[in-house]
Amino acid sequence: QAVLTQPSSLSASPGASASLTCTLNSAFNVATYRIYWYAQKPGSPPQFLLRYKSDSDKQQGSGVPSRFSGSKNDSANAGILLLSGLQSEDEADYYCMTWHSGAWVFGGGTRLTVL
Amino acid sequence: EVQLVESGGDLAQPGGSLRLSCVVSGFTFSAYGMAWVRQAPGKGLEWVSTISDRGATTYYADSVKGRFTISRHNSQRTLSLQMNSLRVEDTAIYYCARLQDGGFDPWGQGTLVTVSS
Repeated sequence: QAVLTQPSSLSASPGASASLTCTLNSAFNVATYRIYWYAQKPGSPPQFLLRYKSDSDKQQGSGVPSRFSGSKNDSANAGILLLSGLQSEDEADYYCMTWHSGAWVFGGGTRLTVL
Repeated sequence: EVQLVESGGDLAQPGGSLRLSCVVSGFTFSAYGMAWVRQAPGKGLEWVSTISDRGATTYYADSVKGRFTISRHNSQRTLSLQMNSLRVEDTAIYYCARLQDGGFDPWGQGTLVTVSS
């Protein structure tokens, strides 16, 4: 079982909110992990969005709008990236990442379609 | 402005070697760890290797351990990745990135490595 699992795709309407999940392998406790989020548009390198461990341990990327926010769902053992007020330019692949057992690990990515 | 510019990507044969470089500007290179992350065509991101700020500590993904070597030359603001015993599955865009608060930010534009006979 992968360390981080993301749904492969998600669709949402302009102006709506989208919640992207990043589920940590059930053998580990998401509460102890920092989850990093990146967005990648076609032909461009990934861009750091934010990291989230708790409300007291979080960091927004430089220039990243506040409508991008992080949280956790402890019962689902998952990190969450919430995008509110969706815009067409939010269409991208979104990756979560964490540090686990001496290695940096990425989730498989979620393609967000805004239509 | 922070910039990371990769070079060295090319077509290589299986079993061959390549050396990638990443030249940085706009920040104090010697104060940051650095990393390489790759992305196979149409696939997701895969962390490859990380090196500490002074080069004393290195980390490698299992998929490249023993074949790839990360290094840095702080006075030349250059990060390198020596890739030996290349395999078809090493084909990817290779990005260099600054290690910032445990994550990677920012990233370079990437350099394409193609391994094929």
